[in-house]
Amino acid sequence: DARVTQTPRHKVTEMGQEVTMRCQPILGHNTVFWYRQTMMQGLELLAYFRNRAPLDDSGMPKDRFSAEMPDATLATLKIQPSEPRDSAVYFCASGWGRWDTQYFGPGTRLTVL
Amino acid sequence: AQRVTQPEKLLSVFKGAPVELKCNYSYSGSPELFWYVQYSRQRLQLLLRHISRESIKGFTADLNKGETSFHLKKPFAQEEDSAMYYCALSPGQYSGAGSYQLTFGKGTKLSVIP
Repeated sequence: DARVTQTPRHKVTEMGQEVTMRCQPILGHNTVFWYRQTMMQGLELLAYFRNRAPLDDSGMPKDRFSAEMPDATLATLKIQPSEPRDSAVYFCASGWGRWDTQYFGPGTRLTVL
Repeated sequence: AQRVTQPEKLLSVFKGAPVELKCNYSYSGSPELFWYVQYSRQRLQLLLRHISRESIKGFTADLNKGETSFHLKKPFAQEEDSAMYYCALSPGQYSGAGSYQLTFGKGTKLSVIP
C-alpha cells in the first residue's frame, strides 16, 4: 500500500532557526502539493509541482519560504528564518495527472517558540 | 477566485440520526467537488468526488449547481463517522494550469454521540 511519507513528524524550534521539511511522494505520481493547516485558516495551499517543476507558489510567503523538488522522490519545504506564526501542521500530498485524487502524508507538526 | 464555505465548525448528532454536512462554493466555471475526511490520528483521505457519483461508507453528495452546494449526507450516523470533514474544489477539466490545485473549506468536525 503505497503512501506519502513526511519527515520529521514533529519539530520544535526557536524563532530565527531554519526548518526543513521533507516529503516522499508516491512513486509514479507527477504532482506534489504542500499545504499548511491551522485552526484559524484551515488548509491552505502553499505550493505545487508537476513533473518537478513549480507551477504555483503564490500561497507561500516568498521572503522566508522556499519549496523544491531536487528529484522525483523528494520534495522539500524550507522556512528561513522561522517565526512563531509559522507554527502549524504542514501536509504534503501527491497525485497523478490533473484530476486524480490527492494522497496526503501524515503531516509535520511544527512549533516555533 | 474560488472559495469553499463550510458554515458549521462542529456538528453533533446521535447515533442513527441523519447527517448533513453543508458545503457551498463560489467559482465561475464548472468545478470538480470533493469531500475529504480526517479520522483521529490518521491522514487526510479522499471520501468521495462528485464525478464518481458513488456512495462511500454510506455517504453521498450531490452537486447542486443552482445553489452552488455540495452537501454531504448519510441517513444513519455511526460512531465511526466521527471525524473532521473537508469540502474541496478544483477547477474543472477545461481550466488552465491552475486546475491542479484544491481549495479547501475550513472543515466541519462531526461528533456522533452514542
